[in-house]
Amino acid sequence: AQKVTQVQTEISVVEKEDVTLDCVYETRDTTYYLFWYKQPPSGELVFLIRRNSFDEQNEISGRYSWNFQKSTSSFNFTITASQVVDSAVYFCALSEGRDKARDDKIIFGKGTRLHILP
Amino acid sequence: SQTIHQWPATLVQPVGSPLSLECTVEGTSNPNLYWYRQAAGRGLQLLFYSVGIGQISSEVPQNLSASRPQDRQFILSSKKLLLSDSGFYLCASGPYSGANVLTFGAGSRLTVL
Repeated sequence: AQKVTQVQTEISVVEKEDVTLDCVYETRDTTYYLFWYKQPPSGELVFLIRRNSFDEQNEISGRYSWNFQKSTSSFNFTITASQVVDSAVYFCALSEGRDKARDDKIIFGKGTRLHILP
Repeated sequence: SQTIHQWPATLVQPVGSPLSLECTVEGTSNPNLYWYRQAAGRGLQLLFYSVGIGQISSEVPQNLSASRPQDRQFILSSKKLLLSDSGFYLCASGPYSGANVLTFGAGSRLTVL
């Protein structure tokens, strides 16, 4: 069964500090997809990134970077030089790839609430 | 691009009353549709998902039900609400794909008193 664990429920850092949000996942499939979503105070989730299980290259997008390590089943998210606008709840999610492509559930972790203090 | 419409945005209902939350999708056809609930401290819990009209998979036993009467319409219902049904309900849509990127609606906040 698929499972996503985000052990950090809440993190507070001062603006301009770097912060890493941890995500550990469990799956029996060899093909799967990992995601990060951001939920600002407005409530609507916003997609940030998707990785498939065959691509372990780390990715950088501006101040955001993601470290995917299959050996530890982790997909961690780092914000460099954090800003107040980064304050939000961040969710890690997992979708198992299947031959029957339509039968895909997306399971989310419990989220990490990030506070960036001015 | 897809747009998800959810209503009502906010709802206060007494225990034992019925519930109907509606979600409609624009900008795509034949999507996978999902209902998630976000309760305090429990993250995003998948309640139902649907891969087509009339096809509903339930993830959590509860007194809620879902229906998909049309391709781009997804309804969450209850005949009798419980206090524990309070939460923030999110509808999401994803394309026919093994690598779903979900588009979410703005959510419906339900308070059961």
